[in-house]
Amino acid sequence: SQTIHQWPATLVQPVGSPLSLECTVEGTSNPNLYWYRQAAGRGLQLLFYSVGIGQISSEVPQNLSASRPQDRQFILSSKKLLLSDSGFYLCAWSVRGGKNTEAFFGQGTRLTVV
Amino acid sequence: KQEVTQIPAALSVPEGENLVLNCSFTDSAIYNLQWFRQDPGKGLTSLLLIQSSQREQTSGRLNASLDKSSGRSTLYIAASQPGDSATYLCAFQDTDKLIFGTGTRLQVFP
Repeated sequence: SQTIHQWPATLVQPVGSPLSLECTVEGTSNPNLYWYRQAAGRGLQLLFYSVGIGQISSEVPQNLSASRPQDRQFILSSKKLLLSDSGFYLCAWSVRGGKNTEAFFGQGTRLTVV
Repeated sequence: KQEVTQIPAALSVPEGENLVLNCSFTDSAIYNLQWFRQDPGKGLTSLLLIQSSQREQTSGRLNASLDKSSGRSTLYIAASQPGDSATYLCAFQDTDKLIFGTGTRLQVFP
């Protein structure tokens, strides 16, 4: 069966520090991968998605970047965190190329920038 | 640009009630619809997936319908229980992306 792992679960970082959040998927190949952010009291905002290794699409201009160094690994990064980067970050995967595919989410990372 | 609205934003009911959560979207050219549940501080759990050729799906006490022509989906929860308390999110697949609504926060009290 497929599983998705995100870590760490919680993170407190000072303003200006770097960030690296990692997401890995097991039990499937060639997935679409996604990074979402959920700010307090708000909906899910799509940040990045990837349909293959090295292929990253950015949905909103921001202080963050994403990379996909391996087929089932998706990394969210920042060189210098801002207070506004605080939020709940969720990674997800779905079958690539399908029009009727289900998406599955990790348990999320709670990031607090202080 | 696809926009997704969920009504109501919050709902508090006694257990045993039958509930209807609404989700509306602006662009009927969607691939599929998915309903999720999110418990506080947790990730999303997939509840139901309605494919583009389908009109509804059922799982236990949950039933979801999709009407692409009117731009609406509903999630029906029968005989609600306190354990159903959570935020419910709908999402539409748009090519390679999932577009989410803002969610309905449900509280079922004993």
